[in-house]
Amino acid sequence: NAGVMQNPRHLVRRRGQEARLRCSPMKGHSHVYWYRQLPEEGLKFMVYLQKENIIDESGMPKERFSAEFPKEGPSILRIQQVVRGDSAAYFCASSPGIYNEQFFGPGTRLTVL
Amino acid sequence: TQLLEQSPQFLSIQEGENLTVYCNSSSVFSSLQWYRQEPGEGPVLLVTVVTGGEVKKLKRLTFQFGDARKDSSLHITAAQTGDTGLYLCAGGRDAGGTSYGKLTFGQGTILTVHP
Repeated sequence: NAGVMQNPRHLVRRRGQEARLRCSPMKGHSHVYWYRQLPEEGLKFMVYLQKENIIDESGMPKERFSAEFPKEGPSILRIQQVVRGDSAAYFCASSPGIYNEQFFGPGTRLTVL
Repeated sequence: TQLLEQSPQFLSIQEGENLTVYCNSSSVFSSLQWYRQEPGEGPVLLVTVVTGGEVKKLKRLTFQFGDARKDSSLHITAAQTGDTGLYLCAGGRDAGGTSYGKLTFGQGTILTVHP
């Protein structure tokens, strides 16, 4: 039973480019969460999605960031016009239900040059 | 905003010693998870506690949820070098039900166990 998968594991972008981070939840999990871990800071919630719906995006920056979880395929976290401050580790977690335990993927380390 | 305060932030001990990590909040959580994270990897779930006063044991690790469900502790007995890592507590869904789904994380405790 494969765990949560994220790709790419490492992503390097220049300022102004777009970054696309992918997350495939565990089999049977329809709830996906994105968290960001900045250097010297803890994990911060960004967005919570179910298939085709954004449930809670209270942790998402208002501009440049978007997320989706289509009916088919992985969840995507998209960052437009990246800036150096976006450099961080981005983690995806999945769960089978809203009040169930969340299982994390290995993360995508984004570096903005 | 719910906050989880973890202490200590850093802990450096010798193999064989005991240690306790604390996780405190002014908010009530319906559940609390403890994770361990290795460098370059994602957090791995160790345990979930949901009932006030609950105690769970996982080999040499003992987890406790406070009676009021505002605090938790992780106690490691006879630490080993393999216990080295970042330990994170995370609270799920406050009593008001307005933050369902998302987890609120503490800052983490970096544990180093020396041989």
